[in-house]
Amino acid sequence: GQNIDQPTEMTATEGAIVQINCTYQTSGFNGLFWYQQHAGEAPTFLSYNVLDGLEEKGRFSSFLSRSKGYSYLLLKELQMKDSASYLCAVRDLSGNTPLVFGKGTRLSVIA
Amino acid sequence: DSGVTQTPKHLITATGQRVTLRCSPRSGDLSVYWYQQSLDQGLQFLIQYYNGEERAKGNILERFSAQQFPDLHSELNLSSLELGDSALYFCATSLAGGPTDTQYFGPGTRLTVL
Repeated sequence: GQNIDQPTEMTATEGAIVQINCTYQTSGFNGLFWYQQHAGEAPTFLSYNVLDGLEEKGRFSSFLSRSKGYSYLLLKELQMKDSASYLCAVRDLSGNTPLVFGKGTRLSVIA
Repeated sequence: DSGVTQTPKHLITATGQRVTLRCSPRSGDLSVYWYQQSLDQGLQFLIQYYNGEERAKGNILERFSAQQFPDLHSELNLSSLELGDSALYFCATSLAGGPTDTQYFGPGTRLTVL
């Protein structure tokens, strides 16, 4: 089976840096995705990691450690529009589900 | 805009009724996935189709069914609706449905069962 854990909520200040963690347990790991979802809207793709290390894309970076079953999403120079839920999703080849999503971390950016 | 379209945007119906949700994929995408998102739950995978054939099945209720048509659009049918079926229903599409594919989500259909 699969188990994905993320903090439920986080709050950070505009202009700051925030790190959103995700831990997972799967038996057939084959990649980890991060999606951003504003309330009532569609999830939008942010990043994909399949090898260990850091992937940087503008203000957003994502890190993966397969041996630790751990990933984080790093958001720099936070803006008010970054207030959203951030979903960690794992591809597990051992199960029937193509992509298993965590429950998401609701990030509030305050002035 | 992901290029994935879903209709209708909102649907309000009564318990016991049947509804059909529609999804049109991005140009070139062959695989469609359906998800349910309730208030307290994450995205729950329902079912996946690839080029008209069912490829993977999640926790989809027997009252729910789906299909993918030759033009690659997909429909999710929900019948004998219950209050607990109220949720956001998303479809996502990807190029080939393989392990390295990225899924792109449509805007969703918000279903309210009264």
